[in-house]
Amino acid sequence: NAGVTQTPKFQVLKTGQSMTLQCAQDMNHNSMYWYRQDPGMGLRLIYYSASEGTTDKGEVPNGYNVSRLNKREFSLRLESAAPSQTSVYFCASSDPVAGGYGYTFGSGTRLTVV
Amino acid sequence: KNEVEQSPQNLTAQEGEFITINCSYSVGISALHWLQQHPGGGIVSLFMLSSGKKKHGRLIATINIQEKHSSLHITASHPRDSAVYICAVRAGTASKLTFGTGTRLQVTL
Repeated sequence: NAGVTQTPKFQVLKTGQSMTLQCAQDMNHNSMYWYRQDPGMGLRLIYYSASEGTTDKGEVPNGYNVSRLNKREFSLRLESAAPSQTSVYFCASSDPVAGGYGYTFGSGTRLTVV
Repeated sequence: KNEVEQSPQNLTAQEGEFITINCSYSVGISALHWLQQHPGGGIVSLFMLSSGKKKHGRLIATINIQEKHSSLHITASHPRDSAVYICAVRAGTASKLTFGTGTRLQVTL
């Protein structure tokens, strides 16, 4: 099925460890996003990529890096995980060029940093 | 004050009731999205609208640009409608969204 695929679904890290969250979409969307969702707060934008080859910081970029590997893939890296990064992470894509701006979300990654 | 405010935060209804969830925003927008998130699940886009009203099945979304307000209505609610409903807005030509904190809906038999 077409959509956004995120891996892994669950992860437990120790403080200071690193990891990369993977995201791929097969809808030929230009724009991709990484959000985090914390209890009592709305989803907050970490980084986004308006098109292949570009990335920009969102609202909460500290402690994260991203790579737009190609049009399909947008990865999020935690270089040195901290307990404050315990959250649920969502990748999403959209296609402003097609005029739709409709969003498609991945199923989420539940990350716990101990 | 958040740019996007939703009310109520929590809502319990009996099966068959008509439900309204409200969203107010403080910035000029180019579009507003309504999203649905089931417990432990992913996020699904329900509507994207910039004016007027849209209907899909038992769901109706309206927006009043002048008043900076949108409503999501569910007619003949069912337990499977139990979820968190999230309002999000997009400003100008940017594609990124600003989200409300969500309304948790529980529909009981």
